[in-house]
Amino acid sequence: DGGITQSPKYLFRKEGQNVTLSCEQNLNHDAMYWYRQDPGQGLRLIYYSQIVNDFQKGDIAEGYSVSREKKESFPLTVTSAQKNPTAFYLCASSTIRGSTDTQYFGPGTRLTVL
Amino acid sequence: AQSVSQHNHHVILSEAASLELGCNYSYGGTVNLFWYVQYPGQHLQLLLKYFSGDPLVKGIKGFEAEFIKSKFSFNLRKPSVQWSDTAEYFCAVNAKRMDGKLQFGAGTQVVVTP
Repeated sequence: DGGITQSPKYLFRKEGQNVTLSCEQNLNHDAMYWYRQDPGQGLRLIYYSQIVNDFQKGDIAEGYSVSREKKESFPLTVTSAQKNPTAFYLCASSTIRGSTDTQYFGPGTRLTVL
Repeated sequence: AQSVSQHNHHVILSEAASLELGCNYSYGGTVNLFWYVQYPGQHLQLLLKYFSGDPLVKGIKGFEAEFIKSKFSFNLRKPSVQWSDTAEYFCAVNAKRMDGKLQFGAGTQVVVTP
């Protein structure tokens, strides 16, 4: 069953704690992306990676960190520096770098900070 | 600032009514255009896309969209909606100079009543 998996589906965190969201893909895609979805704001890009061991900041990278040690995995850490972390987080991937490829999305992780 | 605008945040209509969702973007040069749909409880999935060629693009589930370059628009249409079309719809754009990154609109929540 090919696709993108994200875990956990729901995550609760206390203020001041770091938390890591998992994203795994078995589509053999080169590029991976993290988005944040808030009501009425669409999806906003946090970080993206076009190749292993390399990643770039998106539009709202502050308070987040990522790693790309393996092609299949692109975990996102929400740090305590993120001022408003409660949101729905979506991971995506695409086959190649560049503008002509379609991004495919995972099911998302809903993070709630208590 | 460069952006993607979706004109309606919420649309409520009856089954068999026609649907048109507006999308305008402000990027110059060559762009690729996408409509994604998020059904309740499901992954964000691609509805249709435009890269080049015929500006009238047909997608899944009877949806189509028309790219009008002079108006910087990519409006989504469906002649007769069904209850199952209830979902949130997102327009997205990327451009060559954006290095594959997608810029999303704020989304339109569509509710189809029986």
